[in-house]
This record gives sequence, C-alpha cells and structure tokens, in this order.
Amino acid sequence: GENVEQHPSTLSVQEGDSAVIKCTYSDSASNYFPWYKQELGKRPQLIIDIRSNVGEKKDQRIAVTLNKTAKHFSLHITETQPEDSAVYFCADVEKGTSYGKLTFGQGTILTVHP
Amino acid sequence: NAGVTQTPKFRVLKTGQSMTLLCAQDMNHEYMYWYRQDPGMGLRLIHYSVGEGTTAKGEVPDGYNVSRLKKQNFLLGLESAAPSQTSVYFCASTSKLAGGNEQFFGPGTRLTVL
Repeated sequence: GENVEQHPSTLSVQEGDSAVIKCTYSDSASNYFPWYKQELGKRPQLIIDIRSNVGEKKDQRIAVTLNKTAKHFSLHITETQPEDSAVYFCADVEKGTSYGKLTFGQGTILTVHP
Repeated sequence: NAGVTQTPKFRVLKTGQSMTLLCAQDMNHEYMYWYRQDPGMGLRLIHYSVGEGTTAKGEVPDGYNVSRLKKQNFLLGLESAAPSQTSVYFCASTSKLAGGNEQFFGPGTRLTVL
C-alpha cells in the first residue's frame, strides 16, 4: 500500500526562525497533498494543501512545495511564533477511485521557543 | 453548523466489553472515515464509507465494525474490547471530489481499555 514518510519527528526552533518539514511518498499516482495541524488535545485541521499540477503554494507565513520527480513535498513556516507549536501531519491521496482516503505521515512535533 | 461531532468524548472499558462510538456531520458530506491515533504512528484509517449503506475496510480494520444507516451518521463498534484498542479515535468527513478534498475532523474520543 501507499507509504508516507515524514521527517523530522521533532523540531525545535526559536521564535522568528523558519521551520521545514519534509515528506516522501511512494505512489507516483498520488495527486493531492494536504498538511494538517493538530494542537494539543485538539482535532487535526487543514492548514494548506497542494495538487500535483502545481509546484508551490503559499498562504501568508506557510508554504508547501512539491517535487513530483523525487516524490517529496515540504511544509515551510517562516517567522515562526509560539502559537505555531503543534503536531504537523502530511498526507497524500491516490488519484482515481480512492474515495479521498488519506495516508498520513507519522507527524512532526514542532516547538517554537519564545 | 456544528460540523463533525463525536460521542462520547471519553470512555473507559474493561477487556471484553463492547461499545459504539457515534459520529455525526451536518455538512451533507458523502464520505466519512474513522481513524485511530496512537503516539508516533500518526492517524491510521480503520473503516470508511462512501455513502449511505456502504462501508469498506481501511488500514487497520480488525476488531472493529461500522455502519452507516443514515448519510449524516457513521458508527464505529468494538464488539470485544482489547487493551490494544486503547487510543484516540477521530471521525472525519469530506465532500465527494475526485483526487481528494479537505477532511473535517471531529473532536475525538479518548478510549482506554483496561
């Protein structure tokens, strides 16, 4: 089945620094790549996503890049703030009749120190 | 709109007991999913449903059953609970869109099996 590897598992940065989380996927048919943020004790929530026909997407301080040839995609957070501290999950969806089923990475615990 | 709701929020079971987790969504979504979340393992799909009256197995279906008698509800059952089923359970839903779309998660149910 599909496999999504996420690195690093933990990331600690100082406020104002940038943070980068990378995911690799195995199925070349994957065509949708969302990122979810989960604050402590809360539900996962979508923060940004990208489709396979686009190489990069930005939304204020966050951006996602996709390299289809290498089968990896990354989340970039600039000017990090303490409220960015959370667990971040990448995921992908297989093209076709997959009924939107997401395969998640293992998660990255991001800690932003004031 | 309440979005996706789950009941109960917490539950403690003894080994061998049974229970049903209820998920409800008011967004008229076609697709619904049940995940379990364990430390260091991300979110893993248990079962999913693409419409009323239909269900299918996900990545980790053993020990669970599901039913979707109404479009807005998706039930997850544990017939004979085991300690290995101690986890946080999330329900999610999304609209029907080829290639994937944002999944909306419920608040989660924390289950402990003694």
